[in-house]
Amino acid sequence: ILNVEQSPQSLHVQEGDSTNFTCSFPSSNFYALHWYRWETAKSPEALFVMTLNGDEKKKGRISATLNTKEGYSYLYIKGSQPEDSATYLCALWPDYKLSFGAGTTVTVRA
Amino acid sequence: NAGVTQTPKFRILKIGQSMTLQCTQDMNHNYMYWYRQDPGMGLKLIYYSVGAGITDKGEVPNGYNVSRSTTEDFPLRLELAAPSQTSVYFCASSRGKGLNTEAFFGQGTRLTVV
Repeated sequence: ILNVEQSPQSLHVQEGDSTNFTCSFPSSNFYALHWYRWETAKSPEALFVMTLNGDEKKKGRISATLNTKEGYSYLYIKGSQPEDSATYLCALWPDYKLSFGAGTTVTVRA
Repeated sequence: NAGVTQTPKFRILKIGQSMTLQCTQDMNHNYMYWYRQDPGMGLKLIYYSVGAGITDKGEVPNGYNVSRSTTEDFPLRLELAAPSQTSVYFCASSRGKGLNTEAFFGQGTRLTVV
């Protein structure tokens, strides 16, 4: 099981502000990196699956980048809205099993 | 589409009792996983399966057992329940490699051991 680290653990953002946070992982044996959005009392839902160094993915106001050589991925939220409040998980898929980080919990204040 | 279905949603067990958490998926996915959610720790992998008849341990397998007799079903058995097994359990499945590794999760089972 690989050590996937996310930082910060939590952050508070004013509505309308943009924010970003990090997922770090060992750069060897990379296969795929996932980002999931996890709302309270719901199940995690996939945002992005990224496999190539330099990958950039976008879904609405949320985007992600991937650097496999240095072992990190950034997730960006542009113009945060209250509905963006959730825990964002990243996970590594090196060899058939998903290893999750502890998550970054985002709270957007109206 | 039903996706991944877990039962029960809630359960209270007494110390020493046993139970089976059911998980079934209708997406014909090869890979299936069981996770537990521990506060502040994210999701910890208990067991996983890459296909019918094949299972393997994850990070925290002690106190649990699984089987995978069909592609659809991946039940998790708790033997001799302990308070440390109080948690929320999630079953997930995914199709395969590369861009198809996205996992789909069930709604979770909240288990309390008293």
